[in-house]
Amino acid sequence: EAGVAQSPRYKIIEKRQSVAFWCNPISGHATLYWYQQILGQGPKLLIQFQNNGVVDDSQLPKDRFSAERLKGVDSTLKIQPAKLEDSAVYLCASSRGTKSGNTIYFGEGSWLTVV
Amino acid sequence: AQSVTQLDSQVPVFEEAPVELRCNYSSSVSVYLFWYVQYPNQGLQLLLKYLSGSTLVKGINGFEAEFNKSQTSFHLRKPSVHISDTAEYFCAVSDFTSGANNLFFGTGTRLTVIP
Repeated sequence: EAGVAQSPRYKIIEKRQSVAFWCNPISGHATLYWYQQILGQGPKLLIQFQNNGVVDDSQLPKDRFSAERLKGVDSTLKIQPAKLEDSAVYLCASSRGTKSGNTIYFGEGSWLTVV
Repeated sequence: AQSVTQLDSQVPVFEEAPVELRCNYSSSVSVYLFWYVQYPNQGLQLLLKYLSGSTLVKGINGFEAEFNKSQTSFHLRKPSVHISDTAEYFCAVSDFTSGANNLFFGTGTRLTVIP
């Protein structure tokens, strides 16, 4: 079974530029998550989708971050304009459903450096 | 709201020695508990989880954890570590009364196994 796929793995941009990350979840997983992991911290949920609907985006900085999952499969996370403090690893994850306790499977992450 | 405290940011241990990584949580509701491992430049992989039943949970790679409700702890243990266990370990909780399956992570413990 293929895991969660993410691209690009690494990205360096200047502040105020934009960047987009792509994620393809495990086949058949209805729930998709984007987490932000800043160096030295644990991952923090940015947004959660159930199929193509948003379940929780309370921690997403909506003035600069946006995410979509138009067809209920793959997803894109965009940052525009980027700030220095956005330097982090962006982890995409998926699970079969939204019910608490469902195992969440993570991708390898997209490493963003903003200079 | 939930929070997770991992008391040790770094734990060095000699190969074949036992190890315990500590995790305490606070929550106003009942929770599910998880341990994830993150190898260098990789995503998070589930080690084990406690949902209900026996408070001693066995996971992959010889790890186990014990849920202690009175002490609100979920410490991770392994009787004999290997070099390959060198990684970052994250404790996480999920509120099982919520429909969102959000994981709240601790700040991580870096386990370094010394030859």
